[in-house]
Amino acid sequence: SSELTQDPAVSVALGQTVRITCQGDSLRSYYASWYQQKPGQAPVLVIYDKNNRPSGIPDRFSGSSSGNTASLTITGAQAEDEADYYCNSRDTSGDHVVFGGGTKLTVL
Amino acid sequence: EVQVVESGGGLVQPGRSLRLSCVASGFTFDDFAMHWVRQAPGQGLEWVSGISWNSGSIGYADSVKGRFTISRDNTKNSLYLQMNSLRPEDAALYYCAKDGGRYISSRFDPWGQGTLVTVSS
Repeated sequence: SSELTQDPAVSVALGQTVRITCQGDSLRSYYASWYQQKPGQAPVLVIYDKNNRPSGIPDRFSGSSSGNTASLTITGAQAEDEADYYCNSRDTSGDHVVFGGGTKLTVL
Repeated sequence: EVQVVESGGGLVQPGRSLRLSCVASGFTFDDFAMHWVRQAPGQGLEWVSGISWNSGSIGYADSVKGRFTISRDNTKNSLYLQMNSLRPEDAALYYCAKDGGRYISSRFDPWGQGTLVTVSS
């Protein structure tokens, strides 16, 4: 099965822009989705199908993809964006889904 | 409100079985695929299993294949996970999540609050 690789930790100054990346072979065939998880809470979908936001997600969240890399960009990061972020995608081996290891975002 | 609520977790001895349930509300259950995802304490998310709207397509993570069985009852708006031959490494918070379409995709929304499974003697 495929794997998705994320940087374990990223930091950003308040109000600045940060990009969180996700790499894997499955991303050459399938779009990534992105999830935000705050401590003690269930994950929340923030981006799907490369760059679509569910209702209620601020437009400072955006997604992109190139080759085997998907990216989540937060433009003008806020204190409430401090959280763990996970990517996932369909796996190339049939009806499977794979998650990245997660990125802990710190807003300074 | 679209909602999924898990139940059935608990303390179980290694080698024993447990059945998790997830009840859905606020949407047409039989129009969507469903998933189980788990998270061990302090660890990341791990996809466990997914099932299409009509149970025609089912997938399992390699770590649970042959031991876990996913199923759904569209007449009861319910999703299940039968877990057999449990191991200490299966201990985790198990989330139920609704897919964005009829077939397995990567769009999981919403998620339940999870049900905790502890495997220990």
